[in-house]
Amino acid sequence: GAVVSQHPSWVICKSGTSVKIECRSLDFQATTMFWYRQFPKQSLMLMATSNEGSKATYEQGVEKDKFLINHASLTLSTLTVTSAHPEDSSFYICSAREGEREAFFGQGTRLTVV
Amino acid sequence: GQNIDQPTEMTATEGAIVQINCTYQTSGFNGLFWYQQHAGEAPTFLSYNVLDGLEEKGRFSSFLSRSKGYSYLLLKELQMKDSASYLCAVMDSNYQLIWGAGTKLIIKP
Repeated sequence: GAVVSQHPSWVICKSGTSVKIECRSLDFQATTMFWYRQFPKQSLMLMATSNEGSKATYEQGVEKDKFLINHASLTLSTLTVTSAHPEDSSFYICSAREGEREAFFGQGTRLTVV
Repeated sequence: GQNIDQPTEMTATEGAIVQINCTYQTSGFNGLFWYQQHAGEAPTFLSYNVLDGLEEKGRFSSFLSRSKGYSYLLLKELQMKDSASYLCAVMDSNYQLIWGAGTKLIIKP
């Protein structure tokens, strides 16, 4: 299957700082990228959908000013968690899709805010 | 509203066969996906069905009945490494993925 690379795999940051997570499609053009968060033993929760070159569409309850998403090219999307707090600690996962094909997931990023 | 139902947890024995069911009610249908997710890892793609019938891929098979809004994932010759969560997802008329909560499969020796 197609390859989606997510970086970093894990990160620990201090409360109040910002963290950027990158999601790259390595062998296809990701016209759409999705960002999810997942708490332990819970299902994926879609945070936002981004299409290349346009603003991301955020799900209800997700703060767009806190979770900044940029999808500037067909191979890269970034999620920046601004002014992170301990409650933002979670597993963040991106997925990418070319057209209406199946989505492929990145490896995920485990964020711990201390 | 849109809804995907699958059992929360299932237990099976190593070497046996298990069937994980998924029923859905969505606004439109553009395919059904099964993903496998091991604890602490991201999901990995298993199968895609858009037409009725059975798709076989090695030890895994996936079945779809669009008229019944029903799919199942069949795992044969179970191995301990198959212990994971299995996620059912439907692509709706807007080509958005609607996710089930996942079925945790526990394999016992």
